[in-house]
Amino acid sequence: DAKTTQPTSMDCAEGRAANLPCNHSTISGNEYVYWYRQIHSQGPQYIIHGLKNNETNEMASLIITEDRKSSTLILPHATLRDTAVYYCIVMVRATNKLIFGTGTLLAVQP
Amino acid sequence: DAGVIQSPRHEVTEMGQEVTLRCKPISGHNSLFWYRQTMMRGLELLIYFNNNVPIDDSGMPEDRFSAKMPNASFSTLKIQPSEPRDSAVYFCASTQQGMDSPLHFGNGTRLTVT
Repeated sequence: DAKTTQPTSMDCAEGRAANLPCNHSTISGNEYVYWYRQIHSQGPQYIIHGLKNNETNEMASLIITEDRKSSTLILPHATLRDTAVYYCIVMVRATNKLIFGTGTLLAVQP
Repeated sequence: DAGVIQSPRHEVTEMGQEVTLRCKPISGHNSLFWYRQTMMRGLELLIYFNNNVPIDDSGMPEDRFSAKMPNASFSTLKIQPSEPRDSAVYFCASTQQGMDSPLHFGNGTRLTVT
């Protein structure tokens, strides 16, 4: 069973920041939060992951609340190519066993 | 790096036929995963290997499905006999177990069983 809850869909204007929320209220102390996305007809693509500190890379930022029960993925300047399904997954890092939920369909509008 | 390579990209077959899907993981990766994606069930983990050994096959739907990894650079997923409900996109992914390395996915094989 997926251990995360995400909105089914979201819209974002091109050039604006996209903030995608994720609830993981039953996360365990040794579980990381991972984000992947899947653009139509392609395999899922890794975006970012974190344990409890905020993380940033060239693609996105990940903000994890202090109690670790929720997180937000931020795409700072969304483009049309960011239209995809975004998956938030919690996982014990050593296993690499990703269990996907239903994700959030982000539609970036021109 | 060429990434994870899957073949064929598309496969159309008739019910009852044997289907073999192939995957070449990224060189140096020692863990390999097979996923299936359908509209109804989303992305499902079927089986994964560490160092060519199957670790967890609890997601394999039935005995008609089998997977092998004869060496570090090749894996197959076989369906025999195939059924229309097996129609899906099958993804292979690989990673370096034990390192801070994410899963890298191939572009999948779209299987249609008529």
